[in-house]
Amino acid sequence: GAVVSQHPSRVICKSGTSVKIECRSLDFQATTMFWYRQFPKQSLMLMATSNEGSKATYEQGVEKDKFLINHASLTLSTLTVTSAHPEDSSFYICSARPSSGAQETQYFGPGTRLLVL
Amino acid sequence: AQSVTQLDSQVPVFEEAPVELRCNYSSSVSVYLFWYVQYPNQGLQLLLKYLSGSTLVKGINGFEAEFNKSQTSFHLRKPSVHISDTAEYFCAVIQLGGYQKVTFGTGTKLQVIP
Repeated sequence: GAVVSQHPSRVICKSGTSVKIECRSLDFQATTMFWYRQFPKQSLMLMATSNEGSKATYEQGVEKDKFLINHASLTLSTLTVTSAHPEDSSFYICSARPSSGAQETQYFGPGTRLLVL
Repeated sequence: AQSVTQLDSQVPVFEEAPVELRCNYSSSVSVYLFWYVQYPNQGLQLLLKYLSGSTLVKGINGFEAEFNKSQTSFHLRKPSVHISDTAEYFCAVIQLGGYQKVTFGTGTKLQVIP
């Protein structure tokens, strides 16, 4: 089956530092990837849609200068949390939509837990 | 715009008992419907989906769901739960067309009691 990986699985950093999270589709190409964040005991909220070779589309209320998204290849998208602060602590999940196949299909990564001290 | 409502935030149920997790949605256009399961500290796994055709959809781990257009519902059921079914369950919709943005419900924590 289709596999999406995320690295790192968890990260602890100091306030003010930047953190990069990678999302990879391991056995398929993904023109589109999505980034979500999930606060404790809450649902997933879409942050942005990442399209290979173009700028990401951010959801309302998401700071594009704080959450930098790069989708440089068909198998890799990165989310960089710049100048992280404790309120950015959350569970970040990516999903990838295969370039070929059904449009409604998305495969989710295992998530990255970010803790900013 | 579309929205998903999961009225029950927590559902405790004894092992081997049946369970139903409720999901209602709202959308001005046709949608695809999904149920995902999330185990602690993990990503989401697709349980089942409704795209078209038969309104009763069977998924993995013995789960099934029924699409009811008139009631705009997509309730998830399992006739006999197991301890391993303890997890968070999310209902989700995607509007037909558009750019496939997924809208999730707030989730239902299923707690299976031995």
